[in-house]
Amino acid sequence: GAGVSQSPSNKVTEKGKDVELRCDPISGHTALYWYRQSLGQGLEFLIYFQGNSAPDKSGLPSDRFSAERTGGSVSTLTIQRTQQEDSAVYLCASSPQGDNVLTFGAGSRLTVL
Amino acid sequence: QQQVKQSPQSLIVQKGGISIINCAYENTAFDYFPWYQQFPGKGPALLIAIRPDVSEKKEGRFTISFNKSAKQFSLHIMDSQPGDSATYFCAASRGSSNTGKLIFGQGTTLQVKP
Repeated sequence: GAGVSQSPSNKVTEKGKDVELRCDPISGHTALYWYRQSLGQGLEFLIYFQGNSAPDKSGLPSDRFSAERTGGSVSTLTIQRTQQEDSAVYLCASSPQGDNVLTFGAGSRLTVL
Repeated sequence: QQQVKQSPQSLIVQKGGISIINCAYENTAFDYFPWYQQFPGKGPALLIAIRPDVSEKKEGRFTISFNKSAKQFSLHIMDSQPGDSATYFCAASRGSSNTGKLIFGQGTTLQVKP
């Protein structure tokens, strides 16, 4: 596609449920990032995939958060046993090899009741 | 070491005025400093970026000023327009070959009054 596609755009869930957020990066982009944007806050780095290298998971806030990237393309961010503090917009971005220019998707807004 | 501090948190400017947003960083290994612009309901989009080998970069009404010794950089928006009203994020990373993650500032909400 022309841009980074994220789904769902909105997700409302109950505390304790698991959620999966999907990111479809720009075709050919080798790097993929997940960020979290809480209300009125900046972008908090979560995880970074670059080609076939081991992902940089240093930003994941707890072991309830995990992400995978299949076939070097689509990525899924999974949040287990969601808590109210997980409510935020989850942004995905991708960039080409050798280029730090990130193209962001519109985000997935997660609300945990 | 990994933080990027941004100020002010919010800014109101009259149409035609100059908007100035400042950022400071600690990690001297950072070598790439972009600014992103975000409109409500959209993801951030790259506006302009600078590397530390230059002190200033200008693109249209947008200018980045970079002070390596002070570890500070700023965004200047000249002749600010209502359409510039958005949230602006500074960021920093190290590694020019896509080997480093971008660390973002907290964001500045800019409102340009007509």
